[in-house]
Amino acid sequence: QQQVKQSPQSLIVQKGGIPIINCAYENTAFDYFPWYQQFPGKGPALLIAIRPDVSEKKEGRFTISFNKSAKQFSLHIMDSQPGDSATYFCAATSSGAGSYQLTFGKGTKLSVIP
Amino acid sequence: ETGVTQSPTHLIKTRGQQVTLRCSSQSGHNTVSWYQQALGQGPQFIFQYYREEENGRGNFPPRFSGLQFPNYSSELNVNALELDDSALYLCASSFQGANEQYFGPGTRLTVT
Repeated sequence: QQQVKQSPQSLIVQKGGIPIINCAYENTAFDYFPWYQQFPGKGPALLIAIRPDVSEKKEGRFTISFNKSAKQFSLHIMDSQPGDSATYFCAATSSGAGSYQLTFGKGTKLSVIP
Repeated sequence: ETGVTQSPTHLIKTRGQQVTLRCSSQSGHNTVSWYQQALGQGPQFIFQYYREEENGRGNFPPRFSGLQFPNYSSELNVNALELDDSALYLCASSFQGANEQYFGPGTRLTVT
């Protein structure tokens, strides 16, 4: 059972464009939603995270939008650059679970064309 | 501040063998989680260690086991390797009670 569904699987945008990656979750106990960026041959790097008590969070060029009633959240990358080309993963966890295990989406491979 | 480190970087084993992977947590972190990332997939939670004890486990068989040491470093052991165990094994460190997890570069395991 996939608890976090991520789309699209891949995305190609021009430099300066605004790629949007979407995720949907099923478990209403999830209360922390991070996004990770992974370059080939590297481990995932924590990019930005949000909790369900806010609808939007912005850090630099990265913005998370969160819709609690729809159980959906998305990542927007403003003014995208070729260096943003990577695979992006959404994830979710529940503080009440004790182990804070992360449940990941399947990833979105982003290519930013110069 | 030292980040999460893992060793070795790459490893090739034969089906049926055993393997040990190592992880050093980030300075100040007391919790280590292990994840398996198959090619083209998101990481899957294997288990977490806190205070040298297993603190949560994903859907992985008992031949996946681990240890945590007093300095918070950790080992992942896999017995009776299968071809499907070929993956990137990621270690993440965190502070117990905090959601943020920081990943190491991973160990690429190939089982032939």
